[in-house]
Amino acid sequence: GQNIDQPTEMTATEGAIVQINCTYQTSGFNGLFWYQQHAGEAPTFLSYNVLDGLEEKGRFSSFLSRSKGYSYLLLKELQMKDSASYLCAASNDYKLSFGAGTTVTVRA
Amino acid sequence: GAVVSQHPSWVICKSGTSVKIECRSLDFQATTMFWYRQFPKQSLMLMATSNEGSKATYEQGVEKDKFLINHASLTLSTLTVTSAHPEDSSFYICSARPRASGKDTQYFGPGTRLTVL
Repeated sequence: GQNIDQPTEMTATEGAIVQINCTYQTSGFNGLFWYQQHAGEAPTFLSYNVLDGLEEKGRFSSFLSRSKGYSYLLLKELQMKDSASYLCAASNDYKLSFGAGTTVTVRA
Repeated sequence: GAVVSQHPSWVICKSGTSVKIECRSLDFQATTMFWYRQFPKQSLMLMATSNEGSKATYEQGVEKDKFLINHASLTLSTLTVTSAHPEDSSFYICSARPRASGKDTQYFGPGTRLTVL
C-alpha cells in the first residue's frame, strides 16, 4: 500500500521561510511531486524529484532522500498569494498517491 | 502548452440521475488519463486510469459499473457517474499524460464540482 504523511497546517508571516515535510512509504517509487492547490481549483505542478538532493526553482525548492523516504518543500520570501494547500505525491508507474495536503496560511 | 480542460465546471443533479464529465487535452495527445476524486479537506484519491482504446483500470473500492470511463480518442476521456447519490458529491479532477513525454508527467484539468441533491 501507499502511505504519504505531511503536516495538516502551517502558518507563517509574509517574507518568511516555511518548510513542509513529507514522508512516504510506498510499494514502488519513481519520484516525488509537489503540487500547489488553491481552494476549489485543481493542483498546479511545483516540482518533481527523482534523484536525491535539492532542486531549486525560484522561491521554491524541493529536497528528496530516497533512502529515508523523505522530502520537503521549501518556500522562501513568502507572499500572501502563497496561501494554499501543498500536496506531496509519490509516483509509482505513472500513478500518483497523494498526501492529505498541508494548508499554509501566510499572514501580513 | 499542455492544457487540460474539463466540462462542465460544476453540475447539480437529482439523486438517481447520471452525469457525464468530459476531460480534454487541448494541445497534446494523451495516451493515458487519470480520474481523481477529492472530498472537502481531503486529498486527491485516484479512481481509475484510462488508456486510449482500452478498458479503464479501476482502483480498489471504486465501482466500475457506477463510474463508467470511456477514452475514445487521444484527446478525450469521459467519466459518467451513473445513478448518482448525495454521497457521490465531490470534486472530480482529471489529469492527462502526454504521448511524447517523460513517464511521470501529468497535467491536471480544472476540476468538476458535482453536487447531488
